[in-house]
Amino acid sequence: KNEVEQSPQNLTAQEGEFITINCSYSVGISALHWLQQHPGGGIVSLFMLSSGKKKHGRLIATINIQEKHSSLHITASHPRDSAVYICAVNSDTDKLIFGTGTRLQVFP
Amino acid sequence: GAVVSQHPSRVICKSGTSVKIECRSLDFQATTMFWYRQFPKQSLMLMATSNEGSKATYEQGVEKDKFLINHASLTLSTLTVTSAHPEDSSFYICSAGLLSYNSPLHFGNGTRLTVT
Repeated sequence: KNEVEQSPQNLTAQEGEFITINCSYSVGISALHWLQQHPGGGIVSLFMLSSGKKKHGRLIATINIQEKHSSLHITASHPRDSAVYICAVNSDTDKLIFGTGTRLQVFP
Repeated sequence: GAVVSQHPSRVICKSGTSVKIECRSLDFQATTMFWYRQFPKQSLMLMATSNEGSKATYEQGVEKDKFLINHASLTLSTLTVTSAHPEDSSFYICSAGLLSYNSPLHFGNGTRLTVT
């Protein structure tokens, strides 16, 4: 079992839909990252959070430390949001552990 | 914002040759740089962590003599794939941070290596 699990693995949506991607982890962490990887391979760091909630534009990330769970929400999704979204955690043992990613496709 | 530049973006080489990939932090001094490998449709796999001026720390299963990492300055780290084989073909990505693991992650755009 992976220490960082994401769901769903694949997700398709119509433009405008509200999207949620989930990340669960089984290790103690000091921080959690949400990353976006575009089809060309480039990776952008969307959020780093250790508690609560962060918002940037149409993106919202939340984390529940007690439940060891984080969600990434995209409001009013757009085709340009199509990408792979990766959850990664800084573990208490100073390891960076990646989830397997969620492939999102948003259709017009 | 912080920018990490990775070069080259694509490289094709013949078996047995060596390939060097550069990772530069453009507007901040990165005390730590990370090198990752990504197989098709899989997530990132951390290969090694390099700290400026000291030897890189390799993850289990990563051959240090195969993947030479040098972090000679606070703005440059290099990964050299030595005596490349077709199975080394992959997508290699670097990221740079200001502290150890627990800092915002700034990624390069990656290098697609194809070994023929």
